[in-house]
Amino acid sequence: TQLLEQSPQFLSIQEGENLTVYCNSSSVFSSLQWYRQEPGEGPVLLVTVVTGGEVKKLKRLTFQFGDARKDSSLHITAAQTGDTGLYLCAGASETSYDKVIFGPGTSLSVIP
Amino acid sequence: GAGVSQTPSNKVTEKGKYVELRCDPISGHTALYWYRQSLGQGPEFLIYFQGTGAADDSGLPNDRFFAVRPEGSVSTLKIQRTERGDSAVYLCASSSKPSTDTQYFGPGTRLTVL
Repeated sequence: TQLLEQSPQFLSIQEGENLTVYCNSSSVFSSLQWYRQEPGEGPVLLVTVVTGGEVKKLKRLTFQFGDARKDSSLHITAAQTGDTGLYLCAGASETSYDKVIFGPGTSLSVIP
Repeated sequence: GAGVSQTPSNKVTEKGKYVELRCDPISGHTALYWYRQSLGQGPEFLIYFQGTGAADDSGLPNDRFFAVRPEGSVSTLKIQRTERGDSAVYLCASSSKPSTDTQYFGPGTRLTVL
């Protein structure tokens, strides 16, 4: 069974600070996605990474896929209150690529 | 709007009752997914449709859960003999292609079994 772990589970920071959240697995994924979810809404896709070692930037967000395609990180620079939400990573299996497995999420609170 | 819609937004039922949850995907999307999300957890895969057929139903927890998509568009998730442990938010997502294409999620149906 493929599992994704995320750390930290909860994170509370001041506006303007930097932060990194992590997504780890013992399994290899063909691709990995990061989503952000706000209360009462479904997750919204932020980025998909496919190649080991790949780095993608989305404004103040930087996503990295591990060389072995087993882990990923999300770094936010100068956090804003609008970044508050649940950050989920999700991996597509190499063997059952139609099924996406989600991690438990990191709940981020950015305090003004 | 052109997004994924789910009805009802909230459903409260009693233990042992039957419920149906509906998902309207984005028009033209052939892939449709159902997930279940418990408080403090990420979405848990239940079933995936490609067109009218269930391509992967390995996530359905037991035979009380069943889903259909008879015309390849709207899908209904059916839960028989509901149990308190079925309480969760049920999310639906659609995409134009499976796996590598973006999944667009609906707002979910919050099911509460008393």
